[in-house]
Amino acid sequence: DVKVTQSSRYLVKRTGEKVFLECVQDMDHENMFWYRQDPGLGLRLIYFSYDVKMKEKGDIPEGYSVSREKKERFSLILESASTNQTSMYLCASSPHGRMNTEAFFGQGTRLTVV
Amino acid sequence: GESVGLHLPTLSVQEGDNSIINCAYSNSASDYFIWYKQESGKGPQFIIDIRSNMDKRQGQRVTVLLNKTVKHLSLQIAATQPGDSAVYFCAERTSSGSARQLTFGSGTQLTVLP
Repeated sequence: DVKVTQSSRYLVKRTGEKVFLECVQDMDHENMFWYRQDPGLGLRLIYFSYDVKMKEKGDIPEGYSVSREKKERFSLILESASTNQTSMYLCASSPHGRMNTEAFFGQGTRLTVV
Repeated sequence: GESVGLHLPTLSVQEGDNSIINCAYSNSASDYFIWYKQESGKGPQFIIDIRSNMDKRQGQRVTVLLNKTVKHLSLQIAATQPGDSAVYFCAERTSSGSARQLTFGSGTQLTVLP
């Protein structure tokens, strides 16, 4: 059974803290993604990576950075958390294949910045 | 930037009826269009995709229609069941070299009435 695991289900952090959200996949997928999900806005892509040490900005990268040191792990970093980063964060992975469109999602991390 | 959006944020149908969820897209360069289902408390799950050179694809109880002339995508669910209650997202895939990016719409909440 394919699995994408996010390290925390719920997280509460203070404004200004550095926050790490971790994601691990066990499917040997090349592509990994970080999205945030907000009511009425759907899923918005923050960053994605198509290979180890490779990263691409998504639609809303400001205030975030990412790290992909190993194929199975993709970390999202909030350098200095702010209240407008309170959201549900979803990690996903997918294989490279041209014909493959299926992304597998983790269960999400609900982050609250106070 | 390009966007994928939905016509209706909510949809209620009687159990046993057919459901139609609509989506408008604007990026003509997308090579695939995909539907995802998100149940409460879970990450989105792949339902079905359609390649941009097709206009119809059928799965188990679901059909996706693509109208490139008006840039419209729809998901039809036959004989809707209570387990179909969820938020449905359309997504489009764009490819640039090895990078394949998924862009999601804002979602439609489907509620199945008994």
